[in-house]
Amino acid sequence: DIQMTQSPSSLSASVGDRVTITCRASQSINNYLNWYQQKPGKAPKLLIYSASSVQRGVPSRFSGSGSGTEFTLIITSLQPEDFATYYCQQSYSAPFTFGQGTNLE
Amino acid sequence: EVQLVESGGALVQPGRSLRLSCVASGFSFGDYAMHWVRQAPGKGLEWIAGITWKSGSIDYADSVKGRFSISRDNAKNSLFLQMNSLRSEDTALYYCVKDRSPSYSSGCGDHWGQGTLVTVSS
Repeated sequence: DIQMTQSPSSLSASVGDRVTITCRASQSINNYLNWYQQKPGKAPKLLIYSASSVQRGVPSRFSGSGSGTEFTLIITSLQPEDFATYYCQQSYSAPFTFGQGTNLE
Repeated sequence: EVQLVESGGALVQPGRSLRLSCVASGFSFGDYAMHWVRQAPGKGLEWIAGITWKSGSIDYADSVKGRFSISRDNAKNSLFLQMNSLRSEDTALYYCVKDRSPSYSSGCGDHWGQGTLVTVSS
């Protein structure tokens, strides 16, 4: 199985900050990498798919990059509603494993 | 509007069985792969099973392989998860997830239900 490792596990930031979250795969997954946002008590929401494609309806301050084994999620100008937990997920091969999550507080 | 409504979660004793259901609406259910993802209390997300649009391909996480079975009824817009030999570590909120891509399983979920809670305890 492909292991996904996110860093950091938690991140303290302020409104207006630029935030970067990193996700590493244990083997090359090309660009089969997705990012989700989860708020407490809510289901996850797809933000980014195929490493850099922004899901419809997601604000433009969210962007993704990377390929192979290293990927980043960038949030420019952090907004109050962005404080949440973020997960990466590989969709290169089943089982479609998730990273452990990054708690943005 | 896409809606996924899970049901069937309950408190169950270890070793017993449970069947989860998910009823979909707002999209052509039969055209999309579907998945189950779970989240143990206070923990991260774990993909556990996926099924392609015509049930031609089914995959499981190692943690549930041989105990859980995913299936679908396209005529009833429904997805199922049969869970046997339940263990305490299966305690989690179980989400029904629609695949983003039609026809094949991309593994990427663009719509999620609100989840149904399964608690395995004596």
